Amino acid sequence: EIVLTQSPGTLSLSPGERAILSCRASQRVSSAYVAWYQQKPGQAPRVLTYRTSSRATGIPDRFSGSGSGTDFTLTISRLEPEDFAVYYCQQYGSSPFTFGQGTNLEIK
Amino acid sequence: QVQLVESGGGVVQPGKSLRLSCAASGFSFSDSALHWVRQAPGKGLEWVAVISYDGSDKFYADSVKGRFTISRDNSKNTVLLEMNSLRAEDTALYYCARDVGAYGHYCDYWGQGTLVTVSS
Repeated sequence: EIVLTQSPGTLSLSPGERAILSCRASQRVSSAYVAWYQQKPGQAPRVLTYRTSSRATGIPDRFSGSGSGTDFTLTISRLEPEDFAVYYCQQYGSSPFTFGQGTNLEIK
Repeated sequence: QVQLVESGGGVVQPGKSLRLSCAASGFSFSDSALHWVRQAPGKGLEWVAVISYDGSDKFYADSVKGRFTISRDNSKNTVLLEMNSLRAEDTALYYCARDVGAYGHYCDYWGQGTLVTVSS
């Protein structure tokens, strides 16, 4: 099983700042099959990016994914008020399709 | 539009069984893999299981392997999760989610979840 470790656990930033969220895998993720999801309280997750760097339909271009091998990153270039939420990475290169433990992005 | 509606949750005693159902609409159900993902109260997401578009391939998290069974009925646009030998740690909100493809990939649509509470 591939274990995903996200850092930091909590990130406190202000609107307009840049957010960098990290996801490290315990072994190489096949075909860079990593997705990032955003979840707000009381809502289901929403996919932001897939296959490391492709943006999902309707996702603003301030969200970008990067990485390879075992290290992956989600960058939010300029935070908007609606971006404060919990973010999860997931690998789907091999079963079981594990999630990271999440990064809570909170308003400073 | 794509809709996924879970049902079947409730309070169940440890060791008992429960069957969750997910009714899908708004897309070609028989072309898509389907997942179950759960979230314990106040905790993160945990992937549970996936079934391929035709039901021929099924994969499970280690934590539920041998206890949970995923299945689908393409004639009824429904995916099921049969949960046996339930434990307190299975208490969670269970989401049904659509895969973007025919086999296991990432999920682009999610239901609102059904709550399972395992307690004596």
